[in-house]
Amino acid sequence: KQEVTQIPAALSVPEGENLVLNCSFTDSAIYNLQWFRQDPGKGLTSLLLIQSSQREQTSGRLNASLDKSSGRSTLYIAASQPGDSATYLCAVRPGYGNKLVFGAGTILRVKS
Amino acid sequence: GAGVSQTPSNKVTEKGKYVELRCDPISGHTALYWYRQSLGQGPEFLIYFQGTGAADDSGLPNDRFFAVRPEGSVSTLKIQRTERGDSAVYLCASSSGQGTDTQYFGPGTRLTVL
Repeated sequence: KQEVTQIPAALSVPEGENLVLNCSFTDSAIYNLQWFRQDPGKGLTSLLLIQSSQREQTSGRLNASLDKSSGRSTLYIAASQPGDSATYLCAVRPGYGNKLVFGAGTILRVKS
Repeated sequence: GAGVSQTPSNKVTEKGKYVELRCDPISGHTALYWYRQSLGQGPEFLIYFQGTGAADDSGLPNDRFFAVRPEGSVSTLKIQRTERGDSAVYLCASSSGQGTDTQYFGPGTRLTVL
């Protein structure tokens, strides 16, 4: 059974700092991995999707890497801003089926 | 274009009552998913539809939970004899069923069972 773990559970940083969020998964047989952002009372917004054959994806200040063999992904946020404050969720789509398996998330607070 | 919409946004009910939660997917999306998110946790998969049929209902916790998608568009999640443990945010997502098949999520319905 696929399990996804995210570390740290919560993170508080001053504005402008670069930061890394970590995600690990137990079964390396994945189809893809996604990072989502969730704001309080809102749904999930997809940030980056990495296919199993890819090593990383970039969008603006965000960079996500994938090491499938070791079961790890990182989300790197450069020059953090208060508007980045949210919960960040990592989800893997197993190699079989269509459902996503989520981690519990990292709650990020960027202080101005 | 319009995203995934869910109604109601909030539902408060009493233990033992029946509730229905509605999801309107993105137009043209053939795949529809229901997830449940408890406080402090990530979403957990409940059921996946491809068209009108439930392709994977392995996440439904018990037979009090049922979902339909009769015309391959709108879906309704039905919960019978609600229990306090059913309190959570119920999220719906849809995808095109093609390519990377990215899932687009709605805002969720917050269900509170008193």
